[in-house]
Amino acid sequence: GAVVSQHPSRVICKSGTSVKIECRSLDFQATTMFWYRQFPKKSLMLMATSNEGSKATYEQGVEKDKFLINHASLTLSTLTVTSAHPEDSSFYICSAGGRGAMDSPLHFGNGTRLTVT
Amino acid sequence: QKEVEQNSGPLSVPEGAIASLNCTYSDRGSQSFFWYRQYSGKSPELIMFIYSNGDKEDGRFTAQLNKASQYVSLLIRDSQPSDSATYLCAVNKATSGTYKYIFGTGTRLKVLA
Repeated sequence: GAVVSQHPSRVICKSGTSVKIECRSLDFQATTMFWYRQFPKKSLMLMATSNEGSKATYEQGVEKDKFLINHASLTLSTLTVTSAHPEDSSFYICSAGGRGAMDSPLHFGNGTRLTVT
Repeated sequence: QKEVEQNSGPLSVPEGAIASLNCTYSDRGSQSFFWYRQYSGKSPELIMFIYSNGDKEDGRFTAQLNKASQYVSLLIRDSQPSDSATYLCAVNKATSGTYKYIFGTGTRLKVLA
């Protein structure tokens, strides 16, 4: 099956700093990747849709200037949390593989647990 | 009304029993439906997907889809303690020339040894 690699798996940073998370599709090309956020015991929340070669599409309520997404190639999307604050501490998960076709499921990276102190 | 609804549980079943997980969705335009399993602290992993009415079986898992009732379910036969996890239902929805995957809040399953 499709493999999605996400790095780092865990990061601790100080308030006010920026953190970059990478998401790679290892054995397929992904024109679209999705970034989710999950708080403890809560559901996955779609943050944005990352489109190769164009601007990301952000969900309502997600600050695009705070969560910068770059999808520069068909195998790499990055999410940068800028000027992180403790409330940004969460589990961030990227996914790829879904082409929108009926038989095209999403595959997830292993997630990044961000802790902002 | 949420786009994808699931009972949060926990659903407790004894080992060896059948676990039945249910999901309803609001958008009749939804095309395909996915079940993911998520262990605590981990990312979701795909169990199976379905897009035609009826049943689809894969090992101990059976997905059932009823588009008229906007209902999809997952049956787990011979439940094992290792099946204890949160099960997420997701639908694929086309929107504004693109598509997105919408997840339910998940049902927590506990299989009791």
